[in-house]
Amino acid sequence: GQNIDQPTEMTATEGAIVQINCTYQTSGFNGLFWYQQHAGEAPTFLSYNVLDGLEEKGRFSSFLSRSKGYSYLLLKELQMKDSASYLCAVRDSNYQLIWGAGTKLIIKP
Amino acid sequence: ETGVTQTPRHLVMGMTNKKSLKCEQHLGHNAMYWYKQSAKKPLELMFVYNFKEQTENNSVPSRFSPECPNSSHLFLHLHTLQPEDSALYLCASSQDPTSSYEQYFGPGTRLTVT
Repeated sequence: GQNIDQPTEMTATEGAIVQINCTYQTSGFNGLFWYQQHAGEAPTFLSYNVLDGLEEKGRFSSFLSRSKGYSYLLLKELQMKDSASYLCAVRDSNYQLIWGAGTKLIIKP
Repeated sequence: ETGVTQTPRHLVMGMTNKKSLKCEQHLGHNAMYWYKQSAKKPLELMFVYNFKEQTENNSVPSRFSPECPNSSHLFLHLHTLQPEDSALYLCASSQDPTSSYEQYFGPGTRLTVT
C-alpha cells in the first residue's frame, strides 16, 4: 500500500528552527508537496520538490531524497503565526496526490 | 483570497436529508477536486474532474454524487448520509492533474450529520 508518515505534533520556541520530517512509500514518484493549514482554514501551498536537494524560499526550505523516500520542511526564525498543521503530499505514478495526516506545529513564546 | 470559494461554510443535516455543496474557482484552472478531511487523518481524494470530465472516483459511496457543469463550478450532492460522513469537505483546483502546479484549496464546508 501507499503510505506517508510524518510526526503528529511538534513544539518549538519562537525565534528557533524546526524540522518536520516526512517519509513516503508510494507506487512511483512525480513530486512532493508541502502545504500549511491553519486551524479552520484551507491548506495553502508552501513548496514543491521533484529533484533531490534543497529548495529555499525565505524562512522555509524543503529537502528531498528520492533514494531514501524522505523529505523535510525546515522553518527558521519561527513566528507565532507559524503555528499550524503542515501537510506532506506525494504525487504517485498515476499523478494522484497521496497525503500524510499532517504535523501540528505549536509555537511557544 | 485563494480564488476558490465554497458554500455553505457549515452544514448540519439529518440522515434522510438531501443537500448540495458548491465550489467555484476564479483561477481559470482546468481541474477540480473534492477531498474529505477528518480529524487526524490524511486528506482523502474523492473525485477529480479534468476539463469537466470525471477522471477519478476513489471508491466513494453512491450517497455522494458529484457534478461539474463547467470548468469553474463543482457540486457535491449528498443524500442519506451517515454520521461517519461528518467531516470537512474541501474543494481544490489546479491547472491540470499531471503538472507540477500546486492545487489551490477552498475554505471547506464543515458537515455534521445527525
